[in-house]
Amino acid sequence: SQTIHQWPATLVQPVGSPLSLECTVEGTSNPNLYWYRQAAGRGLQLLFYSVGIGQISSEVPQNLSASRPQDRQFILSSKKLLLSDSGFYLCAWSYGGANTGELFFGEGSRLTVL
Amino acid sequence: EDQVTQSPEALRLQEGESSSLNCSYTVSGLRGLFWYRQDPGKGPEFLFTLYSAGEEKEKERLKATLTKKESFLHITAPKPEDSATYLCAVFNQAGTALIFGKGTTLSVSS
Repeated sequence: SQTIHQWPATLVQPVGSPLSLECTVEGTSNPNLYWYRQAAGRGLQLLFYSVGIGQISSEVPQNLSASRPQDRQFILSSKKLLLSDSGFYLCAWSYGGANTGELFFGEGSRLTVL
Repeated sequence: EDQVTQSPEALRLQEGESSSLNCSYTVSGLRGLFWYRQDPGKGPEFLFTLYSAGEEKEKERLKATLTKKESFLHITAPKPEDSATYLCAVFNQAGTALIFGKGTTLSVSS
């Protein structure tokens, strides 16, 4: 069966510090991978998606970046965090190929920027 | 601009009190409407896909329906374990990603 792991689960970071969130998927090959953010009072916002190694599409201009160094690994990074980066970050995967709309989400990483 | 609007934002029900959640969308060329359930502090979990007006899907006490402009999630005789935030989503114009609504937070008390 397929599983998705996301870490760390929670973190508190000062403004201006770097960020690295990691996500790995097991039990499937060549998945589509996604990073979403859920901020208080707002819906799920798509940040990045990837259909293959090294292929990253950005949906929202910001100070975040994403990388996919391996088939089932997706990393979200920032060089300098802003207060507005606080939120609940969710990694998700879907079966490779055409997006069916059925996403499988990880448990999330809650980021608080102070 | 593609948009998904859900109402109400919050809904409190007594156990056994049936109700409906609404999801309206403005996207040309609907490629599917999706319902997810999200428990507090967890990632969303997929429930249903609806593709065309008139389509219905059921799962336990939940039934999702679709018209040309909106979808309803009907909850029949809810139980406390149905308490969660229910999200709906549609594909963006390019078909590359899901656009989610802000959700309806359902609380069912016994």
